[in-house]
Amino acid sequence: QQQVKQSPQSLIVQKGGISIINCAYENTAFDYFPWYQQFPGKGPALLIAIRPDVSEKKEGRFTISFNKSAKQFSLHIMDSQPGDSATYFCATRGSQGNLIFGKGTKLSVKP
Amino acid sequence: DSGVTQTPKHLITATGQRVTLRCSPRSGDLSVYWYQQSLDQGLQFLIQYYNGEERAKGNILERFSAQQFPDLHSELNLSSLELGDSALYFCASSVSGGGNTEAFFGQGTRLTVV
Repeated sequence: QQQVKQSPQSLIVQKGGISIINCAYENTAFDYFPWYQQFPGKGPALLIAIRPDVSEKKEGRFTISFNKSAKQFSLHIMDSQPGDSATYFCATRGSQGNLIFGKGTKLSVKP
Repeated sequence: DSGVTQTPKHLITATGQRVTLRCSPRSGDLSVYWYQQSLDQGLQFLIQYYNGEERAKGNILERFSAQQFPDLHSELNLSSLELGDSALYFCASSVSGGGNTEAFFGQGTRLTVV
């Protein structure tokens, strides 16, 4: 039972463009929504996270937009760079405390 | 460097065998999580330990077991291995077992069953 649906599966963006990755969750009890970035051969690393009491959080070129009523949240990467090429995972923290991940989006930023 | 150490980095073993994966959490972190990452299933939560006690269980097979020792390091034991168990196994740690605390991931152990 997938509790977090992530799209698209893959994304190709030109350098300088905006990358947008979307996630939808099912359980309204989720209260923590992080995004993780994973480079090949490495473990996932926290990129940015949001709580449901705010609608947007920005850190540098990375922004999370959160829509509580629609149970959706998205990651926007502004001015995308080739170094941003990685796999991005959205996640929520379930009632047991463990992170529940989306299936990932492989981002390729072309120079 | 996340501060979470996993050994070994790579492991190749035959079907039917048993292996042990080891994880040392970040200093001060009490919670350890194990995840399995395969191409088609993404990051699947297996099990969580908090301060030596099992806290949560996910999609962990009966052939798999884990424990967390008094020094807080954790081991994931995989037995009667099958080809389908080939995957990346990640350990993550956090200060507590819930809330908004960040989970830090190790570099993973790549298990190949032949």
